[in-house]
Amino acid sequence: AQRVTQPEKLLSVFKGAPVELKCNYSYSGSPELFWYVQYSRQRLQLLLRHISRESIKGFTADLNKGETSFHLKKPFAQEEDSAMYYCALSAMDSNYQLIWGAGTKLIIKP
Amino acid sequence: DGGITQSPKYLFRKEGQNVTLSCEQNLNHDAMYWYRQDPGQGLRLIYYSQIVNDFQKGDIAEGYSVSREKKESFPLTVTSAQKNPTAFYLCASSPIATDTQYFGPGTRLTVL
Repeated sequence: AQRVTQPEKLLSVFKGAPVELKCNYSYSGSPELFWYVQYSRQRLQLLLRHISRESIKGFTADLNKGETSFHLKKPFAQEEDSAMYYCALSAMDSNYQLIWGAGTKLIIKP
Repeated sequence: DGGITQSPKYLFRKEGQNVTLSCEQNLNHDAMYWYRQDPGQGLRLIYYSQIVNDFQKGDIAEGYSVSREKKESFPLTVTSAQKNPTAFYLCASSPIATDTQYFGPGTRLTVL
C-alpha cells in the first residue's frame, strides 16, 4: 500500500538558515508528489507539485525515485514560512486519491 | 481563497444525533472530497465524488454518508454510528481527480 512519511513533527530553524522538510514515500510505480501548506488561520493550499518543477516562495522539491523521497528545501528561511507543511502522493493504484503524510510544523525563529 | 465554502465553522452535537456539514463550490470542479483531520495525523479521506450522482468511500467512510445531487454541492452527514466524530472536517474540490485540490476553511465538529 502507498504510504507517505514525514519523520519530523516539528522543525525549528532560525531566520536566514536553510530549511529541509523531509518526505519519504512507499510506492513502486510512478507517483505524483505534492507539498501543501497551511499558514495560521488560512486554508490548506498547494505549495508545489513535482510535475510542474516550479519554485514557489523560494521552495523547491526534487523527486528522488531511488531514495523514494521528495524533500522540501529553501536556502534561506523567512519568518513568514512558519506553517504546517504536508506532503502528499497521488497514484494510479489509489485511483489518484491523495495519500497524506502526518505533517511537519515549521517554526522560523527570529 | 474563496470558491469553496463550508458551513458552519463550528458545530456542536449531542451524542446520538446526526449532523450535516455543508460544502459548496463555484469553481465548476467535477471532483469533490471530504477529509477528516485529527491532531498529529495527516488528512484522512472519508468520501470522494468524481462526478455528479456518483461517489466512492474513502479510507474511513464508516459512520458517514454523502450525496452529490448537484455539481456545486457535496454535503457530509456524520451519523450517530460514527464512534469518534469530534474532529476538524475539510472539504476540497479539483477540476478532475488527478488535479490540484482546493480546500475550504473547514468545520470543527464537537460532540458533547
